[in-house]
Amino acid sequence: EPEVTQTPSHQVTQMGQEVILRCVPISNHLYFYWYRQILGQKVEFLVSFYNNEISEKSEIFDDQFSVERPDGSNFTLKIRSTKLEDSAMYFCASSVMGGTHQPQHFGDGTRLSIL
Amino acid sequence: DQQVKQNSPSLSVQEGRISILNCDYTNSMFDYFLWYKKYPAEGPTFLISISSIKDKNEDGRFTVFLNKSAKHLSLHIVPSQPGDSAVYFCAARDTDKLIFGTGTRLQVFP
Repeated sequence: EPEVTQTPSHQVTQMGQEVILRCVPISNHLYFYWYRQILGQKVEFLVSFYNNEISEKSEIFDDQFSVERPDGSNFTLKIRSTKLEDSAMYFCASSVMGGTHQPQHFGDGTRLSIL
Repeated sequence: DQQVKQNSPSLSVQEGRISILNCDYTNSMFDYFLWYKKYPAEGPTFLISISSIKDKNEDGRFTVFLNKSAKHLSLHIVPSQPGDSAVYFCAARDTDKLIFGTGTRLQVFP
């Protein structure tokens, strides 16, 4: 069964450094998402992306965050200058179509630890 | 701002019995609801969903019920198996994003 893959599984970074989290969505999916889960809290939406543009973003997704689809397969989340509070599990998801009754399928996440 | 709530943090059920997980929401504009299962160190795995035009959807051992007037949905697992032990999240679709509940940890014991 096709799946969303994320790398790395764990990333440790010094505060203030840039970090890039990578995702390969399911191949025929057109909509891509990033979510995060801070330890002990809910899974929270960050951003959705379609047709090489951000379609929706949350308040969390400030100027320090950016997303990109650099080629036909990868979808990346960049945090420009990491803060301690960015420590969380980051999940990538994809769906066949957005705004419809189609489920989003999630990767296994990247654990980001900011020191 | 808890638009999706799962009030039971944990549930323990004997193997073979029914597991019932509950979820409440506040926004009557939500039109699509999903249940995900999550094991440690893995991402949420899609289980089953329901559109707001239905009140029940069934897939094998899993059935989701939607009560729009009460803004309540539930997931029934029958019969429960030890492999069902995981954290279960309900989620509601709002425009293009999912809003998740806090999760219920289900433990199925022999």
